[in-house]
Amino acid sequence: ETGVTQTPRHLVMGMTNKKSLKCEQHLGHNAMYWYKQSAKKPLELMFVYNFKEQTENNSVPSRFSPECPNSSHLFLHLHTLQPEDSALYLCASSQGLERGSGNTIYFGEGSWLTVV
Amino acid sequence: ELKVEQNPLFLSMQEGKNYTIYCNYSTTSDRLYWYRQDPGKSLESLFVLLSNGAVKQEGRLMASLDTKARLSTLHITAAVHDLSATYFCAAQGGAGGTSYGKLTFGQGTILTVHP
Repeated sequence: ETGVTQTPRHLVMGMTNKKSLKCEQHLGHNAMYWYKQSAKKPLELMFVYNFKEQTENNSVPSRFSPECPNSSHLFLHLHTLQPEDSALYLCASSQGLERGSGNTIYFGEGSWLTVV
Repeated sequence: ELKVEQNPLFLSMQEGKNYTIYCNYSTTSDRLYWYRQDPGKSLESLFVLLSNGAVKQEGRLMASLDTKARLSTLHITAAVHDLSATYFCAAQGGAGGTSYGKLTFGQGTILTVHP
């Protein structure tokens, strides 16, 4: 139990479907992140939220749409995805983004996404 | 742009042997992380290194940081099978601003320890 919970753990979706990934953190953190882990590529940062405000969009295609209704919850809305979007999507959280805030970034278990 | 490179990418070790994984990063970073990932699992935080010369040890693993050389090492002592996993280093930050919270990961080192 890492304090960061992701659902669903596995998702298979067609290219025309709309689905969402959910992340919840129970650590009282203020910053939340989405990372993507593909085979043969390093983990890639997708989005960063700090106090519910998006501070980073790492050139992610618009078919991925994040939502952060509060500091404890983060969603990734998915629509018209491509097979190459199949990957492990990892949510993470940390105390904050400020220098010296004693951050360690904690990761959830991940959501395995397969686009068919 | 911060880049992180690990080597080796694949490491096959015999039980009882020692080895080191290297992590180089390209620009100033405020802190360096080491994570472990087991197959089908998420990332487990092993070490956070905050300053030049920092050394941390946990069991058979020891991590160090040389900020002048922009190099971190993860040393494995007397390897055992349970250490088989993928190990990632990640550098955080940059020169302030909103990039501070970002992690840039290395490619990962797949470690296999065999009898």
